Amino acid sequence: EPEVTQTPSHQVTQMGQEVILRCVPISNHLYFYWYRQILGQKVEFLVSFYNNEISEKSEIFDDQFSVERPDGSNFTLKIRSTKLEDSAMYFCASSGQGENIQYFGAGTRLSVL
Amino acid sequence: SQQGEEDPQALSIQEGENATMNCSYKTSINNLQWYRQNSGRGLVHLILIRSNEREKHSGRLRVTLDTSKKSSSLLITASRAADTASYFCATSDSSGSARQLTFGSGTQLTVLP
Repeated sequence: EPEVTQTPSHQVTQMGQEVILRCVPISNHLYFYWYRQILGQKVEFLVSFYNNEISEKSEIFDDQFSVERPDGSNFTLKIRSTKLEDSAMYFCASSGQGENIQYFGAGTRLSVL
Repeated sequence: SQQGEEDPQALSIQEGENATMNCSYKTSINNLQWYRQNSGRGLVHLILIRSNEREKHSGRLRVTLDTSKKSSSLLITASRAADTASYFCATSDSSGSARQLTFGSGTQLTVLP
């Protein structure tokens, strides 16, 4: 069964460093998303991406964040200068046309020290 | 505003019993979905109910939706130890592009063997 894959599973970084989280969505999907979940809290929407551009973003997704689809398969989330409060699980998801059923990856745990 | 609040926050039952989880939301929605999350893993889609539907079944799952009360329930019948997980409702808003999901805070279900 096709699945969304995310790498790395765990990323440790120093405050102020740039990180890139990588995702390979399901191949025939058209919509791509990033969510995050701070430990013990809700899953929060960050951004959605369609037709090579951002279609929605939340107030969390500020200038420190960017997304890119550099080729036909990868979808990346970049955090330019990480802060302690960026520590969280980051989930990538994708969905096809029609019903908005989103398929999630297993997540990347980001630890900012 | 808080969207998608589940209750109870935690539920512990014996194997074979039924588990009922409730979700309330605040805005108008296109659909409501339930997702499951095993500890430290990604979210898995369980079932979607559209705003014009009142009840839906899938295997041991039964979902109801009451748009007048802005609430939904998820019933898992004949529970198994493997059903132990966190369960989240997620809504797609009827305004805007309606693809971002807003998650509730979840119900932690423990099924005791």
